[in-house]
Amino acid sequence: KNQVEQSPQSLIILEGKNCTLQCNYTVSPFSNLRWYKQDTGRGPVSLTIMTFSENTKSNGRYTATLDADTKQSSLHITASQLSDSASYICVVSSQGGSEKLVFGKGMKLTVNP
Amino acid sequence: DAGITQSPRHKVTETGTPVTLRCHQTENHRYMYWYRQDPGHGLRLIHYSYGVKDTDKGEVSDGYSVSRSKTEDFLLTLESATSSQTSVYFCAISESGGPYGYTFGSGTRLTVV
Repeated sequence: KNQVEQSPQSLIILEGKNCTLQCNYTVSPFSNLRWYKQDTGRGPVSLTIMTFSENTKSNGRYTATLDADTKQSSLHITASQLSDSASYICVVSSQGGSEKLVFGKGMKLTVNP
Repeated sequence: DAGITQSPRHKVTETGTPVTLRCHQTENHRYMYWYRQDPGHGLRLIHYSYGVKDTDKGEVSDGYSVSRSKTEDFLLTLESATSSQTSVYFCAISESGGPYGYTFGSGTRLTVV
């Protein structure tokens, strides 16, 4: 069964600290992996998109890694800010079109001053 | 979110009544999607459209119907709302069906009482 598992489910950190979010997947065949940020009351917004051949992708203070062999991805946030408080969703696309997206349940990050 | 608008943003309705949610885009994208988001679940695809009058079912389509008579509008209808359809509904658009430019709306919070 195609699944995307995220950990931890929630995390609280202090402003300025770094953190890493994990995503494990069993989706096959694999097309691409995406990380989204979802602010409360808003829709998800794309942070990074990685295909099979890419193992690192950065977007400002966000850096995603992908290990296609172990089917794991991580999202590292550097020097966290209060505005990083949000839910983060890992999404894996199976080959065959975007209707084959498998969403993780998301994890809630809280950044405290 | 730029280019995609969902209406209404909030709605409370009674069990057994019909409800229609609207997604409007100004990007002229070919693909449009309806998702629902519930606690403890990842986003789940209800229906999607790959062109005017071209639609298909997603993984949780029971109790929902859709219509797309114009490129810019994708309507989601609950023919007879039930409490299990209380959820946050997101529309998404995509130009090519691929990951780039895949954009979500801000969501509609629907409560069925």
